[in-house]
Amino acid sequence: EPEVTQTPSHQVTQMGQEVILRCVPISNHLYFYWYRQILGQKVEFLVSFYNNEISEKSEIFDDQFSVERPDGSNFTLKIRSTKLEDSAMYFCASRTAHNSPLHFGNGTRLTVT
Amino acid sequence: AQSVSQHNHHVILSEAASLELGCNYSYGGTVNLFWYVQYPGQHLQLLLKYFSGDPLVKGIKGFEAEFIKSKFSFNLRKPSVQWSDTAEYFCAVKVGNYGQNFVFGPGTRLSVLP
Repeated sequence: EPEVTQTPSHQVTQMGQEVILRCVPISNHLYFYWYRQILGQKVEFLVSFYNNEISEKSEIFDDQFSVERPDGSNFTLKIRSTKLEDSAMYFCASRTAHNSPLHFGNGTRLTVT
Repeated sequence: AQSVSQHNHHVILSEAASLELGCNYSYGGTVNLFWYVQYPGQHLQLLLKYFSGDPLVKGIKGFEAEFIKSKFSFNLRKPSVQWSDTAEYFCAVKVGNYGQNFVFGPGTRLSVLP
C-alpha cells in the first residue's frame, strides 16, 4: 500500500535556527497537510495545501512557518526561527478527493534546544 | 469554531472486555467522521470512517462506530479487546464535504492488561 514518507525521523536544532521538514505524499493525492503533536497532547492542525497554494491554516501557523511543494512530489514545512515550544512531532498527511480520509506519515520528531 | 471532545483520557481494560470510547463534536452541519489509532511510537492510522449512509460503520481489527446525529456523537466500540489494542485513539471531524480541516479530539489512551 502506498505510504506518506517523512524525513528526517528526528531533527535536533538550536533555538533560532531554521529547519525544513520533508514529506513525500502519496503520488495521486491532491490535498496535503501538516499537523503537529506536542508530547502527550492533542494532534493540532497547522496547514492544508491544495492546487499549489495554502487552502487553510490555523492560528499556530504564523509568519515563522511556510510550506512549499517545490517539485511536484515533495511537500516541505519550513520553520524560520525555531523556538523551544516548537518541539513536537510533526506529521504530514495527504488525501485524494474531498470525501477521503487522511493518510499520515510516520512523523518527524523536532527537538529544539 | 468546531471542537471535538473525547470523554475519557485514559481507559484501562482487561483482555476480552468490551470497549466503548466516546466522541462528541460541536458542528451542526454535514460532517465526515473518523477514528484514528496511534500505536506507541507510530503514526496515526485510520480505523474507520463515516461519510454518509448507514450510521453504523465497521472498520479494521473488529472496531465499529455509530454515528448518532441527534447526539452529535460517533462512539467507537469493540466487543472484545486484545492486549495489542493498547494505543491512543483519536476521533476526528471534517466539516462539510468540501472542508479541508480535520479537527482532532484530544485522544483517549487505552491500556489493555493481559
